[in-house]
Amino acid sequence: DVKVTQSSRYLVKRTGEKVFLECVQDMDHENMFWYRQDPGLGLRLIYFSYDVKMKEKGDIPEGYSVSREKKERFSLILESASTNQTSMYLCASKKFTGTGEDIQYFGAGTRLSVL
Amino acid sequence: AQTVTQSQPEMSVQEAETVTLSCTYDTSESDYYLFWYKQPPSRQMILVIRQEAYKQQNATENRFSVNFQKAAKSFSLKISDSQLGDAAMYFCAYRSAGIIFGKGTRLHILP
Repeated sequence: DVKVTQSSRYLVKRTGEKVFLECVQDMDHENMFWYRQDPGLGLRLIYFSYDVKMKEKGDIPEGYSVSREKKERFSLILESASTNQTSMYLCASKKFTGTGEDIQYFGAGTRLSVL
Repeated sequence: AQTVTQSQPEMSVQEAETVTLSCTYDTSESDYYLFWYKQPPSRQMILVIRQEAYKQQNATENRFSVNFQKAAKSFSLKISDSQLGDAAMYFCAYRSAGIIFGKGTRLHILP
């Protein structure tokens, strides 16, 4: 089974802190994604990565950055956390097949509260 | 731009009954994929079923099936013989170059 692991289930941070959310997958997937989930807004894509050291902005990248130094790890960084970044963050990965086949596997999520 | 609309924020169904969750989408592309994901209280997203746009046959996975109407851009999920474990948030998703999710439908199963 594919396993996508997010390092923390719950995090509480203060405004202005630098926050790292880590995601690791064990299936050698090329593509990895970071979403945030808010009530009434569904899932929104923050950033994604097609391969090591590659990153692309999603729909709401402002206030976030990412790092993909190794294939299995995709980190989401909040440079200076703000209260409007309080949310559930979901990481996902998928294998690049070239056929368009697309199944994303999700981690369990990290609930971040910024005080 | 592509959009995905789930018009039912919440639904309830009696255990063992059948329920249909609706999803419509808007796109000008002809080649894409559609998915239904389930998110139980554990918060983990689980793939329920997927449909390739070029296939006319509706996808089926055990008690879950879809009604894919490409011309109408409709992709509804039918859950037969509903079970208590089906209670969750259900997200419809569209994928072409990127993936877009609907806002979700919360499904309650009544014992």
